[in-house]
Amino acid sequence: DTGVSQNPRHKITKRGQNVTFRCDPISEHNRLYWYRQTLGQGPEFLTYFQNEAQLEKSRLLSDRFSAERPKGSFSTLEIQRTEQGDSAMYLCASSLALGETEAFFGQGTRLTVV
Amino acid sequence: KNEVEQSPQNLTAQEGEFITINCSYSVGISALHWLQQHPGGGIVSLFMLSSGKKKHGRLIATINIQEKHSSLHITASHPRDSAVYICAVRFHSGNQFYFGTGTSLTVIP
Repeated sequence: DTGVSQNPRHKITKRGQNVTFRCDPISEHNRLYWYRQTLGQGPEFLTYFQNEAQLEKSRLLSDRFSAERPKGSFSTLEIQRTEQGDSAMYLCASSLALGETEAFFGQGTRLTVV
Repeated sequence: KNEVEQSPQNLTAQEGEFITINCSYSVGISALHWLQQHPGGGIVSLFMLSSGKKKHGRLIATINIQEKHSSLHITASHPRDSAVYICAVRFHSGNQFYFGTGTSLTVIP
């Protein structure tokens, strides 16, 4: 297992287009998190899954954002009708369950909306 | 309110100096991570702590649960240590991680 993998690493899109990012967590990890990081800030929570269930969503996740984890393995994050304010690094992390378990982070997908 | 604060925000050091980065949080936690992020790069987990102290090479992380405070130390700093160091905690009350805004470290040769 090579850790948490995110694709693509970089995405440039025109305003108004839809984009989709993919995260492949560590295989035995049942928790998967999506975070967004803007320049100079720490990552902000977007949503997390336990297996295929989406258990929590941030208010940052507007109606244009949707995340899925259909088989409890990989996850996708889709942004519809992108806006320039969506430009950020989108990070995925995975872990086992609560408690003293380490989270592992992907390299992130850097989105630039022009 | 769940809060994570880091200090300093920016730090410049000469190669070889001993460096300390601090993280304070507001309420009880189940885990604390120290993370490293290079410019344009993803995040690497350096340590996960729930108590005590951990050491890996030139990096040392400590946590004081009673004082709700953790420190990351870098001994004999090197220019390749230049990065943003981020503290992230998972509070007892929730399932997600909360992040500090990061400390941008520059080590000058």
